[in-house]
Amino acid sequence: KAGVTQTPRYLIKTRGQQVTLSCSPISGHRSVSWYQQTPGQGLQFLFEYFSETQRNKGNFPGRFSGRQFSNSRSEMNVSTLELGDSALYLCASSEQGVYGEQFFGPGTRLTVL
Amino acid sequence: SQQGEEDPQALSIQEGENATMNCSYKTSINNLQWYRQNSGRGLVHLILIRSNEREKHSGRLRVTLDTSKKSSSLLITASRAADTASYFCATDDGYGGATNKLIFGTGTLLAVQP
Repeated sequence: KAGVTQTPRYLIKTRGQQVTLSCSPISGHRSVSWYQQTPGQGLQFLFEYFSETQRNKGNFPGRFSGRQFSNSRSEMNVSTLELGDSALYLCASSEQGVYGEQFFGPGTRLTVL
Repeated sequence: SQQGEEDPQALSIQEGENATMNCSYKTSINNLQWYRQNSGRGLVHLILIRSNEREKHSGRLRVTLDTSKKSSSLLITASRAADTASYFCATDDGYGGATNKLIFGTGTLLAVQP
């Protein structure tokens, strides 16, 4: 099976802009989770989608949102970008859900100037 | 806040040596996972150990779990340069929190010198 894919791989935006990141999970996986990784805070859980519904949400402001489509593909949106949003955004898919083995994509490196 | 804290933060060894890294966590868990991250392959799942298991093996990896001490260790035997990576433990939040999620530790950076 093909692995988890994320697009784009790199993105440069300026403060105040918004951005949409895309994730295609492994075929058959209905659970898609998003994580933010920074040197200071490490890997932090953003949210999990399962069958088009947000099932779990981490402690991030409302500027961070997401959605999942019927084919399990997921998008994450960040509005009104701040410098602190610069990070590696990782998407993971799983058969078992948020507590099971996660298969991660390569990530999207977002730089906010 | 982080559930898992890895120790040491960084480790440098020679090829062929064994590498041991530890993870401590704060609350009761149902399972603990170990992941590896390097620039070439991204973040990859290594092994999952359940709270009722004490030891698990996968190839050159050996994981132990001590729920009474809330700690786990990952042993890599006969290390190779390709094992150079950051290693993270990840725990669930005990299934009882308001948000179900995996909580990743701070990571151990392992450098294997050829």
